[in-house]
Amino acid sequence: EVQLVQSGAEVKKPGESLTISCKGSGYDFSTYWISWVRQMPGKGLEWMGRIDPSDSSASYSPSFQGHVTISLDKSITTAYLQWGSLKTSDTAMYYCARTPHNGDFPRWFDPWGQGTLVIVSS
Amino acid sequence: QSALTQPASVSGSPGQSITISCTGTSSDVGAYFHVSWYQQHPGKAPKLIIFDVANRPSGVSTRFSGSKSANTASLTISGLLAEDEADYYCISHTSSSTPTPVVFGGGTRLTVL
Repeated sequence: EVQLVQSGAEVKKPGESLTISCKGSGYDFSTYWISWVRQMPGKGLEWMGRIDPSDSSASYSPSFQGHVTISLDKSITTAYLQWGSLKTSDTAMYYCARTPHNGDFPRWFDPWGQGTLVIVSS
Repeated sequence: QSALTQPASVSGSPGQSITISCTGTSSDVGAYFHVSWYQQHPGKAPKLIIFDVANRPSGVSTRFSGSKSANTASLTISGLLAEDEADYYCISHTSSSTPTPVVFGGGTRLTVL
């Protein structure tokens, strides 16, 4: 069974750092991108960026560039989303999703991880 | 404001059919067949129900169908069931000037009356 399993919920203070994870299993990890998607409370989905496990190259939405870092450890088929300094506005659910691609074209997102809730509050 | 426009809400009675539209531009929906649809129940992760405009993943009910005309993609759900009540999102590849390769719809809340 193809699945992505994310790390558990986090409660942090503004200014703290955080790394959440997404472990893939049941498929060739190198063949598909891993994308990260944000969903703020009561809101829609926003694409944050993706990483290509074949060469570890990452691409970011301008809305998130410079604020988060996407990385991975291919040896344990795990992708990461990292913040150096959290803001209260980072409070959201974060999903990872396996992304088949056609060259530079993402084709769809499937499956999705179960989500990691991040709460940033003083 | 989302790049793809979806109605905020639609509703229908059990057994009826409903259609959710997803309107973009000639740089996204109108240019590519990489349009996909997702169902999200409250508190759950999104689930892929249509990919490449009109294809259903294995295990997705045949009651779900997708299509596209010009810059608008559509998701049709026939024979509505109570379990179809959820949020639905469309996503498309884009060739617009930004480095973001995908654009999302704002989501549509489906209520089964």
